[in-house]
Amino acid sequence: DQQVKQNSPSLSVQEGRISILNCDYTNSMFDYFLWYKKYPAEGPTFLISISSIKDKNEDGRFTVFLNKSAKHLSLHIVPSQPGDSAVYFCAAILWGGKLIFGQGTELSVKP
Amino acid sequence: DAGVIQSPRHEVTEMGQEVTLRCKPISGHNSLFWYRQTMMRGLELLIYFNNNVPIDDSGMPEDRFSAKMPNASFSTLKIQPSEPRDSAVYFCASIPGPGTEKLFFGSGTQLSVL
Repeated sequence: DQQVKQNSPSLSVQEGRISILNCDYTNSMFDYFLWYKKYPAEGPTFLISISSIKDKNEDGRFTVFLNKSAKHLSLHIVPSQPGDSAVYFCAAILWGGKLIFGQGTELSVKP
Repeated sequence: DAGVIQSPRHEVTEMGQEVTLRCKPISGHNSLFWYRQTMMRGLELLIYFNNNVPIDDSGMPEDRFSAKMPNASFSTLKIQPSEPRDSAVYFCASIPGPGTEKLFFGSGTQLSVL
């Protein structure tokens, strides 16, 4: 009963190209969504978030898109850099509740 | 601030032994979370505390798992007895309070049960 799903365990992209990481959720009551980035031997760190009342949020090279009708969000990284290689976790939350994470997608950006 | 501090970084133990993982949250943070990372389920919430009180432990897999938060600056996650399937990375995270979405994670404890 995974409420937040990342169906692609891995993604490989060439440096300079766009990386698109996808996430699906089942609970339409979620009101906030986040992306976390994790390097090996480190804890996840917050990357970018979006409120359920918005459909896009941009921060530098990172943009998150939210499609509520499809219960889908995506993270776009443009242009991708080798330092972006990491595991990316999608997460969702009900206000005042617990943060629920997906399985993660390992991004590899090739020079 | 030193961030969320977890110890030990690595733990190797034999099946049946007791394992205790430790966490010191960021000072002033009132909510603390224990997560477990596995390939199949990603980051799985085990339990979380608000003001040292356990709020939701529905993610604790079995009675072999227990967590305590005796004060605002310390929490433990105990597994007794440990089993090989408990092998995973265990993360502790904290936030200033409910309604704050951005968790601050520790570096995790890599647990191997042989």
